[in-house]
Amino acid sequence: NAGVTQTPKFQVLKTGQSMTLQCAQDMNHEYMSWYRQDPGMGLRLIHYSVGAGITDQGEVPNGYNVSRSTTEDFPLRLLSAAPSQTSVYFCASSYSSVRPNYGYTFGSGTRLTVV
Amino acid sequence: SQQGEEDPQALSIQEGENATMNCSYKTSINNLQWYRQNSGRGLVHLILIRSNEREKHSGRLRVTLDTSKKSSSLLITASRAADTASYFCATQNSGNTPLVFGKGTRLSVIA
Repeated sequence: NAGVTQTPKFQVLKTGQSMTLQCAQDMNHEYMSWYRQDPGMGLRLIHYSVGAGITDQGEVPNGYNVSRSTTEDFPLRLLSAAPSQTSVYFCASSYSSVRPNYGYTFGSGTRLTVV
Repeated sequence: SQQGEEDPQALSIQEGENATMNCSYKTSINNLQWYRQNSGRGLVHLILIRSNEREKHSGRLRVTLDTSKKSSSLLITASRAADTASYFCATQNSGNTPLVFGKGTRLSVIA
């Protein structure tokens, strides 16, 4: 049981490049989300999904796209990387989006540097 | 925007002592959760307390919730060096809304 798997673990991009951060979970969780973590800022929500085919924006969605074609996968796309997107990105999933009181399972993170 | 705010921002204690971290939040919640993050790792769920609960225990962890004061505390008893980590509180307002995290408390336990 792998839990939440994020790839890659590290990435360096040049300004203007695009890339996709991968997130996969094998727990049949309905709910998946992406957060970014910056020093002194805690975790901020980028996008989230309550089920396959359904996505919504979080607190800081600009510059990012998501899709949820399957229950298992929730990729995060950076359209045109900017230095302000240098951060550590975490994917998290949870059992149910409509029944509360379940904790999140986090991936190990992707450390992204944009130069 | 941050819902929960942890206090203190950093805490340093000796092994064997108790560590107390506090979390205050602004709006009504369905539940409040605590997470631990070791350096360079993802967050790990520790404990969840519902809005109608006042206290919950899990091993050496004790969480209290005071909805009238919109605050929670996490107590780690008999701390160990392995407890050194950042601790985050997170709140969920209703069934299908995302968790909102605070900025965390950095705990250092000195052997």
